[in-house]
Amino acid sequence: DQQVKQNSPSLSVQEGRISILNCDYTNSMFDYFLWYKKYPAEGPTFLISISSIKDKNEDGRFTVFLNKSAKHLSLHIVPSQPGDSAVYFCAASESGGGADGLTFGKGTHLIIQP
Amino acid sequence: ETGVTQSPTHLIKTRGQQVTLRCSSQSGHNTVSWYQQALGQGPQFIFQYYREEENGRGNFPPRFSGLQFPNYSSELNVNALELDDSALYLCASSLATGIYNEQFFGPGTRLTVL
Repeated sequence: DQQVKQNSPSLSVQEGRISILNCDYTNSMFDYFLWYKKYPAEGPTFLISISSIKDKNEDGRFTVFLNKSAKHLSLHIVPSQPGDSAVYFCAASESGGGADGLTFGKGTHLIIQP
Repeated sequence: ETGVTQSPTHLIKTRGQQVTLRCSSQSGHNTVSWYQQALGQGPQFIFQYYREEENGRGNFPPRFSGLQFPNYSSELNVNALELDDSALYLCASSLATGIYNEQFFGPGTRLTVL
């Protein structure tokens, strides 16, 4: 049973527009959420995180929104740039990223078109 | 500051063999986690090591084992390899202090079991 779901395997967005990547989770014990970006032949790179005590966290072009009642989070990238083309993974943890590890979704392949 | 490194990059083994994968954590990080990423899937948590002891474990059988050394580097050992063990194996390091800790990933080792 998948506890973290990314229902869009791929997403195509025009350069300069907003990219919105979505993630749903089922485990109500998750209290820490992260987004990672992965290029081919590289490991995932940490982008941004949010704890369950917040509903929004912003870092430059990246903003993560958390809706605990809907068990839903989203990553907004504004404006989208060609270098943003990658696979984006949503991850969650019960213990702030500690001993139970991170639970990942299957990823969304973001393609930024010129 | 040195990032997370893993060796080897690629490895081919046959069913029933044993394999050892290696990881050096990011400078200053004392915790190492291992993940398995099958094709088209997100990374799955195998286990975590802190202070040279297993600190948490995902849903993997005992033939997956590990070690952490005093310099915080780590090994993942897999015995009796099966075809389904073919995957990208990712190592991630983090600091155990603090409530919320991002995990920083290495580039991975691609294991193929024939």
